Amino acid sequence: NAGVTQTPKFQVLKTGQSMTLQCAQDMNHEYMSWYRQDPGMGLRLIHYSVGAGITDQGEVPNGYNVSRSTTEDFPLRLLSAAPSQTSVYFCASSYSDRVLTYEQYFGPGTRLTVT
Amino acid sequence: GNSVTQMEGPVTLSEEAFLTINCTYTATGYPSLFWYVQYPGEGLQLLLKATKADDKGSNKGFEATYRKETTSFHLEKGSVQVSDSAVYFCAFSGAGNKLTFGGGTRVLVKP
Repeated sequence: NAGVTQTPKFQVLKTGQSMTLQCAQDMNHEYMSWYRQDPGMGLRLIHYSVGAGITDQGEVPNGYNVSRSTTEDFPLRLLSAAPSQTSVYFCASSYSDRVLTYEQYFGPGTRLTVT
Repeated sequence: GNSVTQMEGPVTLSEEAFLTINCTYTATGYPSLFWYVQYPGEGLQLLLKATKADDKGSNKGFEATYRKETTSFHLEKGSVQVSDSAVYFCAFSGAGNKLTFGGGTRVLVKP
């Protein structure tokens, strides 16, 4: 199993450009999520999904869109990049039910710089 | 609101020293508690977890006990190694699988 994969590893964008960060998992996990990591602030949840066709907002969703058309993939779209979106982005996945809490598996991250 | 507070780093130690990283949380109900570790250039890995009060999570010589009365989940290791140099994140899981993280504590172990 490859686990959680993310592409690209690094990206530089100009203000106003758009792009999609890719995330895929091969563990048949229902739950997938996107976090951003900023110095001193830990990881903050951007968007999450509990299954194909279902997405919801996290703590910092503004400026980002997601969709979940398959169980495996959960892309994150930046519609019009801003310097405030310079960050490291992590995708994570896990099993999910309403009773138990499962370990989340993280991808290696995408380092994004917006100039 | 929900939050996690952990000590700021960096924490610099010599090999074989004792490590403690404090973590307290504010949450409704009885969340599950986690410590994640991030080695240089990598994503986060689960280090240990505890799902109910008084549970002790342990892994790789690290331990943390879920203290409901003090809303704490302090991480300890009795004798650190250079390979323990990393950033450590305390987190809890509330509704569903959503994780709330602390700001992270960078630990540097010198030989």
